[in-house]
Amino acid sequence: SAVISQKPSRDICQRGTSLTIQCQVDSQVTMMFWYRQQPGQSLTLIATANQGSEATYESGFVIDKFPISRPNLTFSTLTVSNMSPEDSSIYLCSESTSSTDTQYFGPGTRLTVL
Amino acid sequence: GENVEQHPSTLSVQEGDSAVIKCTYSDSASNYFPWYKQELGKRPQLIIDIRSNVGEKKDQRIAVTLNKTAKHFSLHITETQPEDSAVYFCAASIKGNDYKLSFGAGTTVTVRA
Repeated sequence: SAVISQKPSRDICQRGTSLTIQCQVDSQVTMMFWYRQQPGQSLTLIATANQGSEATYESGFVIDKFPISRPNLTFSTLTVSNMSPEDSSIYLCSESTSSTDTQYFGPGTRLTVL
Repeated sequence: GENVEQHPSTLSVQEGDSAVIKCTYSDSASNYFPWYKQELGKRPQLIIDIRSNVGEKKDQRIAVTLNKTAKHFSLHITETQPEDSAVYFCAASIKGNDYKLSFGAGTTVTVRA
């Protein structure tokens, strides 16, 4: 599997501000995804990051709140905009190659909003 | 969309005993079923997966079984060890649906020494 890194690993932010999370993969991958894991909960898919085009969002998630970029096959960003304490979660990116549907996860970004 | 239910939510077993976690899925088109282990503060790690053309798969002390007719799949851990203590998530995806995974709620497994 590819090596996946995320930055920052954690952050504490004030409400009303925005945070951009970066996800870097060490090899070209077909699919990149962003998930949210609220405290003590399961993983919920936010969106599929599409290379060179707009992300595909799941029900309940919108581009204005979670803008996503994917300029190439190895890098993606997720921005959490106009944050509130309810946005406090772990945000994880994952990757998958076209030859298999196996997904591997990055280390996650632990976000706390005060 | 796909709905995955997972049971039990917590499981406590004596070291050396077996642990079984069960999941059901709603969409008969689902054809890929991975299991992830997440230790406290760590990322989910893929431990085993199964595809719909296979009924059972084993990897050392862990095994997964799939019943397509009943739309359920299970994780079996034998000879449990303290390092098996973690949260386990099942998931399902539909081929051709851009590999999107739907996750179960998770099972917290505690192995008592």
